[in-house]
Amino acid sequence: SQQGEEDPQALSIQEGENATMNCSYKTSINNLQWYRQNSGRGLVHLILIRSNEREKHSGRLRVTLDTSKKSSSLLITASRAADTASYFCATDDGFQKLVFGTGTRLLVSP
Amino acid sequence: DAGITQSPRHKVTETGTPVTLRCHQTENHRYMYWYRQDPGHGLRLIHYSYGVKDTDKGEVSDGYSVSRSKTEDFLLTLESATSSQTSVYFCATRLGQIPYEQYFGPGTRLTVT
Repeated sequence: SQQGEEDPQALSIQEGENATMNCSYKTSINNLQWYRQNSGRGLVHLILIRSNEREKHSGRLRVTLDTSKKSSSLLITASRAADTASYFCATDDGFQKLVFGTGTRLLVSP
Repeated sequence: DAGITQSPRHKVTETGTPVTLRCHQTENHRYMYWYRQDPGHGLRLIHYSYGVKDTDKGEVSDGYSVSRSKTEDFLLTLESATSSQTSVYFCATRLGQIPYEQYFGPGTRLTVT
């Protein structure tokens, strides 16, 4: 069963706008990771946030984690057409596996 | 794709035939994973390996087997392919247990007719 559930399932914005996608999960985690998948390609790791962190930045990416609500959000600022992709959260319980959500499809129009 | 190759990249096969997919890595990562990706389901773990000859089942392991005889190679076998196994299969590797990210291969698109 899926651990993470992303919301929304699909998001359409204009270039320059911010994109926010959310992830909810069910059990305790060691860390939570976000990945991007361009059409027809494998997933690429974007950012990892540990359970004792509340916010993390990487370039135009900002990730927050609220372990009390079992939720995370990914913010992409000043979106570009090249950001068009599917975005997945993945939870890591500290053992050997990640559990991926079903993803958010982001479309950024010029 | 971080030194991960998958072969074949595309395959069409008939129901009932065995199929083997290969994942090869050059990163000397300890952990290797096989996922399948289907619309509406995201990525689901089939099997994974935590060392040579050390493997374990994932969420959707029925109908699949794996082998890892060398650090760099992880094979996924569909013992008798069924149409429900039509999917895109991704291999991934991971350097260590925590808190490391996974690196993904380019995927294999398998169609079972």
